Order: sequence, then structure tokens, then C-alpha cells
Amino acid sequence: SAVISQKPSRDICQRGTSLTIQCQVDSQVTMMFWYRQQPGQSLTLIATANQGSEATYESGFVIDKFPISRPNLTFSTLTVSNMSPEDSSIYLCSVEDIMGQMDSGQYFGPGTRLTVT
Amino acid sequence: QKEVEQNSGPLSVPEGAIASLNCTYSDRVSQSFFWYRQYSGKSPELIMSIYSNGDKEDGRFTAQLNKASQYVSLLIRDSQPSDSATYLCAVNSRGYNKLIFGAGTRLAVHP
Repeated sequence: SAVISQKPSRDICQRGTSLTIQCQVDSQVTMMFWYRQQPGQSLTLIATANQGSEATYESGFVIDKFPISRPNLTFSTLTVSNMSPEDSSIYLCSVEDIMGQMDSGQYFGPGTRLTVT
Repeated sequence: QKEVEQNSGPLSVPEGAIASLNCTYSDRVSQSFFWYRQYSGKSPELIMSIYSNGDKEDGRFTAQLNKASQYVSLLIRDSQPSDSATYLCAVNSRGYNKLIFGAGTRLAVHP
């Protein structure tokens, strides 16, 4: 499986500010995803990060709130904009379709723990 | 009805026993099924994938799939205290790469 890193690993932010989370993979991947996991909850998909085009957002998530970039096949960013305490969560990136490995499943980065005060 | 349902647990089993974790899903066209293990404070770790009806074994883990009943399970043989974690069932949605996760089952293996 690929080695996936995320930065920052955690942050405490004030409401109204924005935070950009980076996800870096050590090999080229076709698919990259961003998830949110709120305390005690399961994972909810925010969006699929598409290389060279706009991200595909799930119901309840919008680009103005969660802009995503994917400039190449190994890197993506997720910005949480105009934060409120309800955005406090763990944000996870995942990857799939590692080049040359079909049906490899999704692999997750270590996550970014965000607290909004 | 939730798309992927799991019993939240906790499921408590003694060390050395078989732990049986169950999952049902609602989308009949789902093709890929995954089990993830998540330790507290850590990210999910993929432990099993299954695509065809029947059993798939990997070490102490066996995944079972029954598409007619829309049911997938994970058996952990010779359970160890280190297996104590939350186990998440994930199902692909309508043939795409998007995964839908269940709420997870918390497993506690006691010595």
C-alpha cells in the first residue's frame, strides 16, 4: 500500500478562520478522497478530489466551505473555510487505485484533528 | 433505512474465542466490500476486501459475503486483546469508487 501523510496532524483554530490540510502520497494514485469523522461517529465522505478538474462534492458539502485542490497525482489539499465549532472533527484523506494495483481498496492517511474554539 | 448497518456493540469476547462481526447493506448493485479496523485515536486500516460470494480467509480473519441476503461478515479466530478496536464495514456505492461506511462495531477482547 502507499505511504500517505497529512499536515498538520492537529490544530486548534478560532472561529471564522480557515485551515488548509495537505495530503501527500508517495506514489501516483488515480483516486483521492476527503472524509470527516466527527467524535464517536463513522466516516462521512466530503468529496472526491479529481486531478485537473473540480472536486465532486457529496450532498451537504459545498465548494465554498470546503475548497479542494488536486494539482497532480500525488497531492491534494482540503480547506475548511470560515470555521465554526461544528467543524471540529478529524479530517482524513484516502487514496485508491494505486497505479498497477487494481481493486486495491481505499487507504487512509493518519488524519488531521481539528478543534475550533 | 441506513445504507450500511452494523451493530454498534460493544461485542465482548474472551481471549482465544471467535469474534463474529456482521454488516448488512441496502444497495443491491454493490460490488466491493471492505472491513477496516480502527484503533482509538488512529485512522482506519484496511484488513479485508471481498468481491465474490463465499468466504475469503487471510490469517486469523475470514470475510464472508452473501449478496442474495445483502450480508457481509468478518470472523476473527483466536481473538487477542490487541484485536480490541472498532471494526468498520464499507460498501462501494452503485459500482463507483465511493465507499459508504457503517457506524462500526466496537470489539473488546478480554484476557
